[in-house]
Amino acid sequence: KQEVTQIPAALSVPEGENLVLNCSFTDSAIYNLQWFRQDPGKGLTSLLLIQSSQREQTSGRLNASLDKSSGRSTLYIAASQPGDSATYLCAVQPNDYKLSFGAGTTVTVRA
Amino acid sequence: NAGVTQTPKFQVLKTGQSMTLQCAQDMNHEYMSWYRQDPGMGLRLIHYSVGAGITDQGEVPNGYNVSRSTTEDFPLRLLSAAPSQTSVYFCASSYSPGPRSTDTQYFGPGTRLTVL
Repeated sequence: KQEVTQIPAALSVPEGENLVLNCSFTDSAIYNLQWFRQDPGKGLTSLLLIQSSQREQTSGRLNASLDKSSGRSTLYIAASQPGDSATYLCAVQPNDYKLSFGAGTTVTVRA
Repeated sequence: NAGVTQTPKFQVLKTGQSMTLQCAQDMNHEYMSWYRQDPGMGLRLIHYSVGAGITDQGEVPNGYNVSRSTTEDFPLRLLSAAPSQTSVYFCASSYSPGPRSTDTQYFGPGTRLTVL
């Protein structure tokens, strides 16, 4: 059974600092990995999707890397802003339709 | 486009009652799914559908039923509510149902359910 872990569970940083969020998974047989953002009381918004054949994806200040062999992904957010405060979740897609999610990292960016 | 819509936003039930959570999408997506989110845990897949008339079980299907009579709608039925079903429920959809899909999933705003 695929297990997805995100450490730390919570993170607080001053504005302007770079954020590094970690995601690890136990089964490397995945087709893709996605990072989502969730604001309090809201649904999830997709940030980046990395296919298993890719090493990284970039969108603006966000960069996500994938090391499938070691079962790890990292989401980097450059020059953090208070508007980046949210919970970030990673999810892996194995060889079926069933996404497996981590519990998320809650980020607070202090002004 | 309205995207993925869910009703109701909040619901309180008594143990043993039944109800249906509604989910609809207007993006002509083939794949739809239901998740529950509990504190300290990731989202867990309840049921999913890869097209009208086709449904299958996810990780935690017990106590829930689904049907998919149209592409747009994917209701989730609680047969006899239990306190363990207190959770936030999310519906999601994406264009391609394939496991190799590169399509991102679109999530609804959620339904917060409390079972007393």
